[in-house]
Amino acid sequence: SQQGEEDPQALSIQEGENATMNCSYKTSINNLQWYRQNSGRGLVHLILIRSNEREKHSGRLRVTLDTSKKSSSLLITASRAADTASYFCATVEYGNKLVFGAGTILRVKS
Amino acid sequence: ETGVTQTPRHLVMGMTNKKSLKCEQHLGHNAMYWYKQSAKKPLELMFVYNFKEQTENNSVPSRFSPECPNSSHLFLHLHTLQPEDSALYLCASSQEGTGNTIYFGEGSWLTVV
Repeated sequence: SQQGEEDPQALSIQEGENATMNCSYKTSINNLQWYRQNSGRGLVHLILIRSNEREKHSGRLRVTLDTSKKSSSLLITASRAADTASYFCATVEYGNKLVFGAGTILRVKS
Repeated sequence: ETGVTQTPRHLVMGMTNKKSLKCEQHLGHNAMYWYKQSAKKPLELMFVYNFKEQTENNSVPSRFSPECPNSSHLFLHLHTLQPEDSALYLCASSQEGTGNTIYFGEGSWLTVV
């Protein structure tokens, strides 16, 4: 069953702008992960945030987690055309069973 | 290059054919997965193997038959598929346990005609 749901479904921005994507989920989680997928390719892991963490940074990426609202956000700062891709959140309730949302399609125009 | 290699990258098969997808991981992981990605649908977890034992079968039809001969290799045997089975099939691996990063292969594009 689908757990994470991303919002918006699609996002189009200019190069240099920031992109924010949101993810909501329904049940308690152990951790939440964000992945990126270029068209027709495999998924690349971006960042993992655990349920006892509120914010994590990795380069131009900033992820927040609000377990009380069951939501997470991914912020990409100073976007580049190469950031154009689909972004997915995925949740882990237990073990190694990762459940994905439908994704946000990000287009960065140069 | 993520350390997870899938072959073939593209496969076209008839509904009466038998084919197999192969996945190999070079990361020393002990858990492997098959996911299905169809257009306009979230990634669907199909199977999970931990230490070569199947621990998850997400109500997958029997025309999909997984095989995990060792911790580094995972196969998906395909038999009498339907056109709606056309999709991107993604293999992944990780260390077994909670909170570990899962690494994906590039996927195998399957078209059933």
